[in-house]
Amino acid sequence: DAGVIQSPRHEVTEMGQEVTLRCKPISGHDYLFWYRQTMMRGLELLIYFNNNVPIDDSGMPEDRFSAKMPNASFSTLKIQPSEPRDSAVYFCASSWGPGSPNTEAFFGQGTRLTVV
Amino acid sequence: AQSVTQPDIHITVSEGASLELRCNYSYGATPYLFWYVQSPGQGLQLLLKYFSGDTLVQGIKGFEAEFKRSQSSFNLRKPSVHWSDAAEYFCAVGMKTSYDKVIFGPGTSLSVIP
Repeated sequence: DAGVIQSPRHEVTEMGQEVTLRCKPISGHDYLFWYRQTMMRGLELLIYFNNNVPIDDSGMPEDRFSAKMPNASFSTLKIQPSEPRDSAVYFCASSWGPGSPNTEAFFGQGTRLTVV
Repeated sequence: AQSVTQPDIHITVSEGASLELRCNYSYGATPYLFWYVQSPGQGLQLLLKYFSGDTLVQGIKGFEAEFKRSQSSFNLRKPSVHWSDAAEYFCAVGMKTSYDKVIFGPGTSLSVIP
């Protein structure tokens, strides 16, 4: 397996534009996580899914952020409209379910978002 | 609520010296515990994990960590640091519940002096 695949790797957009980040989890994993990493706040969990269903979105900062997982192999994180303070590195991660000895998160390489 | 603290924001060690990175957690039961490493511009990579059993856990790249329940700690150690170990290190806690949400500590940045 190629691991967790995120696209794009870098995104530069103007304030007010819509931004869509994409993630392909590792095949067979039933949990998917979206994290945001900034210097000020470190690594924050935004939302996570289990079997394509959103379980906890309490980390989503505002209504401008939304995430979907239409099937087991694809998820998106959308920001509309984007603002300069959304600039960060966004990571997607996936894992097997709890109770499994392999319950560890595998991370993608991240999308570096810059909103100007 | 669970939480993770890493008291050291930044540590500098000389190449060949020993290393210990501290991690403390707050959780009502025995959690899952992880150490991840992040090299510049990269995602996080798992170094080691503790679920149960032997409290001394061996990981990749020569790292080990010891779970001490009485101290709520899971410190990461390496006997001899290499220049390539310079990176950001994250301790993380997972809950043994039906929802597998992992909380990450703030990270410790490691610099290695030649």
